[in-house]
Amino acid sequence: DSGVTQTPKHLITATGQRVTLRCSPRSGDLSVYWYQQSLDQGLQFLIQYYNGEERAKGNILERFSAQQFPDLHSELNLSSLELGDSALYFCASRSLYGYTFGSGTRLTVV
Amino acid sequence: GQNIDQPTEMTATEGAIVQINCTYQTSGFNGLFWYQQHAGEAPTFLSYNVLDGLEEKGRFSSFLSRSKGYSYLLLKELQMKDSASYLCAGEGGKLIFGQGTELSVKP
Repeated sequence: DSGVTQTPKHLITATGQRVTLRCSPRSGDLSVYWYQQSLDQGLQFLIQYYNGEERAKGNILERFSAQQFPDLHSELNLSSLELGDSALYFCASRSLYGYTFGSGTRLTVV
Repeated sequence: GQNIDQPTEMTATEGAIVQINCTYQTSGFNGLFWYQQHAGEAPTFLSYNVLDGLEEKGRFSSFLSRSKGYSYLLLKELQMKDSASYLCAGEGGKLIFGQGTELSVKP
């Protein structure tokens, strides 16, 4: 257990639907980073939050949004889902010792 | 820009040594990470270089030259379980990953 918790582990949904992915960072870590990894692709940075505030944005689609709550957990909302959104979604938190990743949510859009 | 390049695939023999190279554009990165990722699993931390030179950690070593925008990961005494994807990532406030190098270790 890395200390970064992601739920759910698997999600299957239909095109056009909306889903919410959840991430809790390691205890004491204030930051959350979201990444998307499509089949046979590298990890693509989506967005970063630090202590509730958005800090950096990467290749995140307008259909996607995120937020970080006062208890530091974060949610990634994906709407109007398309087949191409099927991917592994990872979150990570940053401490003095580096970046620690959660086990990911595998999203399948059918 | 923040492009990171590494070979797509490599094959090596059990017990051998393999070097995985990574090149990147020098602007914007404060340090260089290496991660290991097995298919469908989370990336796990291998090494971090912020200064030029070699960092050794057991069977794994990583080298960084910031002026040349170059790093490598050296794996010694390869084992079958080392078959995985190896990800080079630059840090500039966030991690930017290369596409990963898929390493196959053969008996």
